[in-house]
Amino acid sequence: RKEVEQDPGPFNVPEGATVAFNCTYSNSASQSFFWYRQDCRKEPKLLMSVYSSGNEDGRFTAQLNRASQYISLLIRDSKLSDSATYLCVVNNLLGTTGGGADGLTFGKGTHLIIQP
Amino acid sequence: NAGVTQTPKFRILKIGQSMTLQCAQDMNHNYMYWYRQDPGMGLKLIYYSVGAGITDKGEVPNGYNVSRSTTEYFPLRLELAAPSQTSVYFCATLAGGAEAFFGQGTRLTVV
Repeated sequence: RKEVEQDPGPFNVPEGATVAFNCTYSNSASQSFFWYRQDCRKEPKLLMSVYSSGNEDGRFTAQLNRASQYISLLIRDSKLSDSATYLCVVNNLLGTTGGGADGLTFGKGTHLIIQP
Repeated sequence: NAGVTQTPKFRILKIGQSMTLQCAQDMNHNYMYWYRQDPGMGLKLIYYSVGAGITDKGEVPNGYNVSRSTTEYFPLRLELAAPSQTSVYFCATLAGGAEAFFGQGTRLTVV
């Protein structure tokens, strides 16, 4: 099982629609969770952190379910400028990945296209 | 505050040549990472470091080497470049469980 899994998309949605992304992670010792955004040919940038209590930042809502090892991102009233790739990122404890990446583990990303 | 600086931004190499991709950070972060991203694909971890003097392999280390003699610098060395190493390379830093900071990337083409 891959450490962080996301639906690669692409998701094609009309402007103004609500879109939801899901992500699952395999390491139960993972400490912290994030959604990053990556625009074409640019570096990834932090969109928001994800907390068990859920957190909201404007049109964006992130949720974490530790029991199910599941992370979600909801975008409401989508804008053309939301078109990008959204990366689910998990931060693991040292020594819990069996020789993999202690620290950050990235999902492959979900590509979102907002259509006018 | 420069954050994470990568040089060069672009490079074309011939097959068999070598080069070093530079990464420098001024945030005093312990964790540093090198990723490669092929067109339309996700980030793949090449090497990482949890502090000066400590490095470890990631998912795709073959053909690369790293060193971390100081907290600030984490260069990535390509020996005997191959067309399969054509990619965008990102360096990133992380402080504990907080946000990761990326450099702007180095676009490498091997011909």
